[in-house]
Amino acid sequence: SQQGEEDPQALSIQEGENATMNCSYKTSINNLQWYRQNSGRGLVHLILIRSNEREKHSGRLRVTLDTSKKSSSLLITASRAADTASYFCATDPLYAGGTSYGKLTFGQGTILTVHP
Amino acid sequence: ETGVTQTPRHLVMGMTNKKSLKCEQHLGHNAMYWYKQSAKKPLELMFVYNFKEQTENNSVPSRFSPECPNSSHLFLHLHTLQPEDSALYLCASSQYGTSDTGELFFGEGSRLTVL
Repeated sequence: SQQGEEDPQALSIQEGENATMNCSYKTSINNLQWYRQNSGRGLVHLILIRSNEREKHSGRLRVTLDTSKKSSSLLITASRAADTASYFCATDPLYAGGTSYGKLTFGQGTILTVHP
Repeated sequence: ETGVTQTPRHLVMGMTNKKSLKCEQHLGHNAMYWYKQSAKKPLELMFVYNFKEQTENNSVPSRFSPECPNSSHLFLHLHTLQPEDSALYLCASSQYGTSDTGELFFGEGSRLTVL
């Protein structure tokens, strides 16, 4: 089965509320990345967290990583209507040689809708 | 020009046609990728080129043929496609290192419809 799986599949909130999305994965990783995609457009990188890091911040984004549970969460604080998009986690798997040679594995994503 | 540019943005083709998708990156990266995004499925990695050499062919049917003439350009040649090949094809680039895969920069995608 796929490496990264996001939860929930869809999330609907009001502007100003916080949005939390979760990602679970199955194998050891070098890093985990979060991306955003507006409908029908390309993906935009949001944040990368390495396997030896537990938490990372970027503006209104907060990402946590728990390698013992093989899970990550993305928190968007004080959401805005412009945050409406699909959010994907992607894992960079750890191979015996130490690098995945670019084989990021994406989950199916969480569709976030922020109502004005 | 900035980032990663894909052309055409939309393509409709019959099952017997031959067409090509083009990707160009202006970021000085040394790795380029083709991903396929179908409805209700995760992004699927199709091909990876590091330093112009193909390092990954993820069991992609031979009707898809990649070409990477230099580190800035990537093509996906299409021939005798099937309707199930209709999808959004995304090109990405990154600066590949020896430790892990870093941030991918994506183009806007080419929406392919096979009739």
